[in-house]
Amino acid sequence: DIQMTQSPSSLSASVGDRVTITCRASQSIEGSLNWYQQKPGKAPKFLIFAASSLQNGVPSRFSGSGSETSFTLSISSLQPEDFATYYCQQSYTFPWTFGQGTKVAIE
Amino acid sequence: EVQLVESGGGLVQPGGSLRLSCAASGFTFRYSDMHWVRQPAGEGLEWVSGVDTTGETYYADSVQGRFTISRENDKNSLYLQMNSLRAEDTAVYYCVRVYRSYVYYYMDVWGIGTTVIVSS
Repeated sequence: DIQMTQSPSSLSASVGDRVTITCRASQSIEGSLNWYQQKPGKAPKFLIFAASSLQNGVPSRFSGSGSETSFTLSISSLQPEDFATYYCQQSYTFPWTFGQGTKVAIE
Repeated sequence: EVQLVESGGGLVQPGGSLRLSCAASGFTFRYSDMHWVRQPAGEGLEWVSGVDTTGETYYADSVQGRFTISRENDKNSLYLQMNSLRAEDTAVYYCVRVYRSYVYYYMDVWGIGTTVIVSS
């Protein structure tokens, strides 16, 4: 199985900060990397597919990059509604696997 | 409005069975791959199982041989039959739609989840 490792596991930031989350795959997944946002008590929300393509309606302050085994999710200017947990997920091969999550908290 | 609504969760004893259902609306169900994802309380997301439009099925190692995913296109419904349940199957179970763009697959619509508790 492909292991997905996110770093950091948690971070504290302020409104307006730039935030970057890293996701690494244990083997090449080419560009088959998705990102999700989850707020407490809610279902995950899909943000980005194919490493860098934003879902319709996702604010442009979110961006994704990377390929093969190394990927990043960036938020250019953190907004109050962005405080949440973020997960990466590979859909390159079954079984699909998620990273362990990165909690973005208010500093 | 595209919507997924899960049902069938509850409390079950170890070794017991439970059948989850997911009612889909607002899109052409038969043309969509459908999956289940679960999340134990306070933990991360775990992909469980999927079924594509041809009926081909996929399972996580942790549930292979115990869980069976199925779909009924005429009823716009997805199911997860869970047998030989264990304490570690305790989680919120999400029904998700999988969308394909070229060679890329992603889970773009999620239900609100149904809770399964395996305990004596």
